[in-house]
Amino acid sequence: KAGVTQTPRYLIKTRGQQVTLSCSPISGHRSVSWYQQTPGQGLQFLFEYFSETQRNKGNFPGRFSGRQFSNSRSEMNVSTLELGDSALYLCASSASGGGTGELFFGEGSRLTVL
Amino acid sequence: GENVEQHPSTLSVQEGDSAVIKCTYSDSASNYFPWYKQELGKRPQLIIDIRSNVGEKKDQRIAVTLNKTAKHFSLHITETQPEDSAVYFCAARGGANNLFFGTGTRLTVIP
Repeated sequence: KAGVTQTPRYLIKTRGQQVTLSCSPISGHRSVSWYQQTPGQGLQFLFEYFSETQRNKGNFPGRFSGRQFSNSRSEMNVSTLELGDSALYLCASSASGGGTGELFFGEGSRLTVL
Repeated sequence: GENVEQHPSTLSVQEGDSAVIKCTYSDSASNYFPWYKQELGKRPQLIIDIRSNVGEKKDQRIAVTLNKTAKHFSLHITETQPEDSAVYFCAARGGANNLFFGTGTRLTVIP
């Protein structure tokens, strides 16, 4: 069974630009969650999608958005990038979502904002 | 929302010794507490979890304890080995059904 796949793995952007990250969950998993990982801050919850609907949202500004497609693939978008957005963005899929059950993480997309 | 605090942020132990990582949570409605291990350059992986109706759970050298009254839970690793070196994250599922993570503990096992 293929794991969670994230693309791109690395990217460099400049302030003010926007970026779109993609996540393909494990086959059969309907829940996709996104986390921002920075040194000292751990894993901060961005949002969760389940069956194309945003089920939960963390405490991030509106510049961070996401969506989920009918095949459960998810994308997250960050507009008007700031230096502080530099981080590893991890997505995780699960069968049930809602914070229960095991999360299967992708390898992440490392974003550097210059 | 839920707030999870994790201590210590770094921990060094001699091989064979035990390691304990502690977390506290704020939302009394939290009912699920997983622990994830992230080796250097790799993705986090679930190593053990506990639900609020259980006080302790063991899996070989790893155990987790939960004190609902005090709102804290701990990870215990016995007979540590070099391959236990990693960053460990605790998490709590709050009443809003989100999973909130602690800030992580970097464990180094010294051979």
